[in-house]
Amino acid sequence: AQSVTQPDIHITVSEGASLELRCNYSYGATPYLFWYVQSPGQGLQLLLKYFSGDTLVQGIKGFEAEFKRSQSSFNLRKPSVHWSDAAEYFCAVAYGQNFVFGPGTRLSVLP
Amino acid sequence: ETGVTQSPTHLIKTRGQQVTLRCSSQSGHNTVSWYQQALGQGPQFIFQYYREEENGRGNFPPRFSGLQFPNYSSELNVNALELDDSALYLCASSLSAGGRTEAFFGQGTRLTVV
Repeated sequence: AQSVTQPDIHITVSEGASLELRCNYSYGATPYLFWYVQSPGQGLQLLLKYFSGDTLVQGIKGFEAEFKRSQSSFNLRKPSVHWSDAAEYFCAVAYGQNFVFGPGTRLSVLP
Repeated sequence: ETGVTQSPTHLIKTRGQQVTLRCSSQSGHNTVSWYQQALGQGPQFIFQYYREEENGRGNFPPRFSGLQFPNYSSELNVNALELDDSALYLCASSLSAGGRTEAFFGQGTRLTVV
């Protein structure tokens, strides 16, 4: 069955530090992959997506993600975290008519 | 600004009651999907509507039903509410059916069943 795992439930980083959020997926074909961010009480905002081509994709707010087929991973990175990046981050894979989401990683940012 | 709007933003219902949630899709989008997000979890797919027809359904019982109107807005109806139905309900619209397309989410409706 298709699934998405995000091994880290909660990550805390200091403002200005680099960030990497992990995502692994299980999918039989070429995946379409997404990262969404959710602020408290809000809906989901698309950060970036991978459909094909260059395996390093750039998104909004300075985020990037790298697709590694051999590792079934699509990790999200940011070189310097800002306090406003504190939120819940969800990795998702497109499957059929819908997305399969991971459980999310909550990011806290220390001043 | 995604252009997807949901109403109401918050709702409190009693177990056994029925509820209707509403979603206006982004202009030009003919596909609406509904997701349930329980506290501390990722969203779970409920169903999708494409051109007024159900176009796929997740692992939810029949008491979860929906509609899509000619203007592509949509409703989610839940009958015989249970305590476990308490969740954030998210609506997403997209240009076409199928998951392999970008979806835009609304801010959600927070449903509390007491």
